[in-house]
Amino acid sequence: DGGITQSPKYLFRKEGQNVTLSCEQNLNHDAMYWYRQDPGQGLRLIYYSQIVNDFQKGDIAEGYSVSREKKESFPLTVTSAQKNPTAFYLCASSKRTVTSNQPQHFGDGTRLSIL
Amino acid sequence: GQQVMQIPQYQHVQEGEDFTTYCNSSTTLSNIQWYKQRPGGHPVFLIQLVKSGEVKKQKRLTFQFGEAKKNSSLHITATQTTDVGTYFCAGPASGTYKYIFGTGTRLKVLA
Repeated sequence: DGGITQSPKYLFRKEGQNVTLSCEQNLNHDAMYWYRQDPGQGLRLIYYSQIVNDFQKGDIAEGYSVSREKKESFPLTVTSAQKNPTAFYLCASSKRTVTSNQPQHFGDGTRLSIL
Repeated sequence: GQQVMQIPQYQHVQEGEDFTTYCNSSTTLSNIQWYKQRPGGHPVFLIQLVKSGEVKKQKRLTFQFGEAKKNSSLHITATQTTDVGTYFCAGPASGTYKYIFGTGTRLKVLA
């Protein structure tokens, strides 16, 4: 079955530590996205990528970094510069078109907590 | 900047009652999408509306896109406990490939 796999499901970060969240998709989608969701809140865009080796900052990119070396993979690193990393992180993918009109498919998410 | 707001933020209904959530954009949208997120789960795409005044139905769910393409609504007839979750609308940000998600409406259905 095609889909998006995020790992790990739960992650704990120590002070001053960088952690990387994995996102892999086998839907052959060009576009991939990372969102942050805080309890009872909506989704805020961290980074997005429309094609391999290219990505753009979203609304809350500070303290995060990404790479897009392969079409299937879009890992997110939460750096020590992100002072409030505790949240639910969602990865999504979609087909790429000239205009934004494709549904996004989401992974099951990673819950990150700070120790 | 461009904003997408939803009301109400929360809604508790008795099973069998109807429910409506409203989505309002600060700018005209080329299309609008609706997603449902079950408690502890991830958002799942429900539908996309493109045309001005468009109305689409999925069983007990009715989706509407405003004539000015700046607002949308989702109406659920005779809610069931399986309707519990948070409903999000999302509209494309002008000139980009990204979507702006609304603040969401959390629905609780009391049996």
